[in-house]
Order: sequence, then C-alpha cells, then structure tokens
Amino acid sequence: GENVEQHPSTLSVQEGDSAVIKCTYSDSASNYFPWYKQELGKRPQLIIDIRSNVGEKKDQRIAVTLNKTAKHFSLHITETQPEDSAVYFCAASEKQAGTALIFGKGTTLSVSS
Amino acid sequence: NAGVTQTPKFRVLKTGQSMTLLCAQDMNHEYMYWYRQDPGMGLRLIHYSVGEGTTAKGEVPDGYNVSRLKKQNFLLGLESAAPSQTSVYFCASSYGGSGHNEQFFGPGTRLTVL
Repeated sequence: GENVEQHPSTLSVQEGDSAVIKCTYSDSASNYFPWYKQELGKRPQLIIDIRSNVGEKKDQRIAVTLNKTAKHFSLHITETQPEDSAVYFCAASEKQAGTALIFGKGTTLSVSS
Repeated sequence: NAGVTQTPKFRVLKTGQSMTLLCAQDMNHEYMYWYRQDPGMGLRLIHYSVGEGTTAKGEVPDGYNVSRLKKQNFLLGLESAAPSQTSVYFCASSYGGSGHNEQFFGPGTRLTVL
C-alpha cells in the first residue's frame, strides 16, 4: 500500500519568512495530494490540493508543487504570519482504496513575530 | 448545514468495555472514513465506506468494527476496549468520484481507555 513520509517534523520561522514542507510517497498510482492544516484542538481542514496531471498550484500565499518522477510534493508558504502556526499534514490517495487518504505524520509550524 | 458531526465528544472507558462512535453527515456524501490521531503519528485510516452498505479495512483496522446502514451515518465500534485505543477519533466524508476527493472532517471524539 501507499506510504507517505513528511519532513521536517517541526519548523520554526520568523514572521514574513517562507516555510517549506516536503513529502514523499511510494505508490506511483496515487493521483491526488492534499494538504491539511490543523490548529490546536480543531479538526483538520483542507488548505490546498493538487492532482497528478498538474505540476504546481498556487492560492495566494500558499503553493504546492508535485514531482511525479521523484514521487515527492511540497507545500510552500510565503510571507508567513503568526496565524499560520499549526500542524500541517500532507496526504496521498490510496489508489487501491479509491479516494482513501494516507497521511504523513505532520509538521508543526511555529511562526514567531 | 451541520456538515460532519460526531457523537460523543469525549468518553472514558475501562478496559474491556464496548462503545460505539457515531458519525453523521448531511452533505449527501457517498464516501465516509474513520481515522485515529495519536501524537506524532498523524492520521491513520481505520475503516472506510464507499457507499451505503459497504465497508472496507484501512491501515489499522484491528480491534474495530464499522457499519454503514444509512448513507448519512457511519458507526465505529469497539467491542473490547484496550488502553492502546486511547486516541482522538476523526470521522470524515467526501462526495466521491473523480474530481471530488476533498474530505471534510468532523470535530473529533477524544477517547480514553483506562
């Protein structure tokens, strides 16, 4: 089955800096790669996603890139703000399970002002 | 629209007790999922369903059972709770089908097994 590795596990940046979180996946048949943000005590919420037929997608300060050949994808947050502080999870679709997702272990992002 | 709701929000069990967690969604989604979240482990898929009357195993199904008798509900059962099942449980749902993958999560249930 699918396996997703996520790095780093923690990331601290100054307000205004950029943050990059990287994930690798094992199943070349996976075709959907979402990123979720989870604030303390809250539910995960989708912030951006990308499909395997697209190399890059951007939404304001957030962008995701996908390299199918290398089987890795990354989340880029520019001009970070204190409210970006949260745990971020990447995920990849488990092709054999339809749209079920396999998640990485998460990255705790801390943005200090 | 309430979205995805979970009952109960908190529960404390003793080892060997049983319980059922209820997930309900009002978005007419076909697919529903149960995850558990443990510190440093991310979200791990327990069981999922691709439609009413169907269920399938995920990454960590042992010790759990599920049922999807109605499209809007997905139940997670623990027949004989163990301390290793102490966790936060999240339910999620998605419309399903190509191009409709976004999963919407419930608020979670915090379960402690003593």
